[in-house]
Amino acid sequence: AQKVTQAQTEISVVEKEDVTLDCVYETRDTTYYLFWYKQPPSGELVFLIRRNSFDEQNEISGRYSWNFQKSTSSFNFTITASQVVDSAVYFCALSEAERDNAGNMLTFGGGTRLMVKP
Amino acid sequence: AAGVIQSPRHLIKEKRETATLKCYPIPRHDTVYWYQQGPGQDPQFLISFYEKMQSDKGSIPDRFSAQQFSDYHSELNMSSLELGDSALYFCASSPWDRGDGEAFFGQGTRLTVV
Repeated sequence: AQKVTQAQTEISVVEKEDVTLDCVYETRDTTYYLFWYKQPPSGELVFLIRRNSFDEQNEISGRYSWNFQKSTSSFNFTITASQVVDSAVYFCALSEAERDNAGNMLTFGGGTRLMVKP
Repeated sequence: AAGVIQSPRHLIKEKRETATLKCYPIPRHDTVYWYQQGPGQDPQFLISFYEKMQSDKGSIPDRFSAQQFSDYHSELNMSSLELGDSALYFCASSPWDRGDGEAFFGQGTRLTVV
């Protein structure tokens, strides 16, 4: 069975600070996909990134960066120079490789609530 | 670009009533997923459909049923509503052959049971 753990339930930072959100996962599959979603107070789930298990290259997108380490089963997310608009709940999620006659549902972590104060 | 449409966006029902949530996937997406997100919780997978057939089942209560129609839209039917059913219900869609698990989420339906 797959499992995603986000140990930090809540993080509070002051604007312009850097912040890292941790994500640790468990899966028996050798092929799997990892995701990060942002959920602002309005409630929608905003897709941020997808990474497959064979691609350990770190990625940077503007102020966002992701560190994928298979050796520690972690997929951490860093926001550089945080802004008030980054305040949201962030979910890490895992999907195992496609199975016959089954979809690829996501298993979410418990989420980390990030509060960025001005 | 067209997105996943869910209706209604908000719904208030009384205990023991029934509710029907609708999901219209992105055109040419043949797979639909339903998730339930309770207050302060993470989204939990309920059920998925591919080509109008149930493809996988998660923690969906027996009081709930769902189906996918010939136009690929899906409906989640919830009967004998309980207070604990109050949640945000997300629908997501993807093309079956995508294979990587990425699904496109709708805005969600917020169900409040009173």
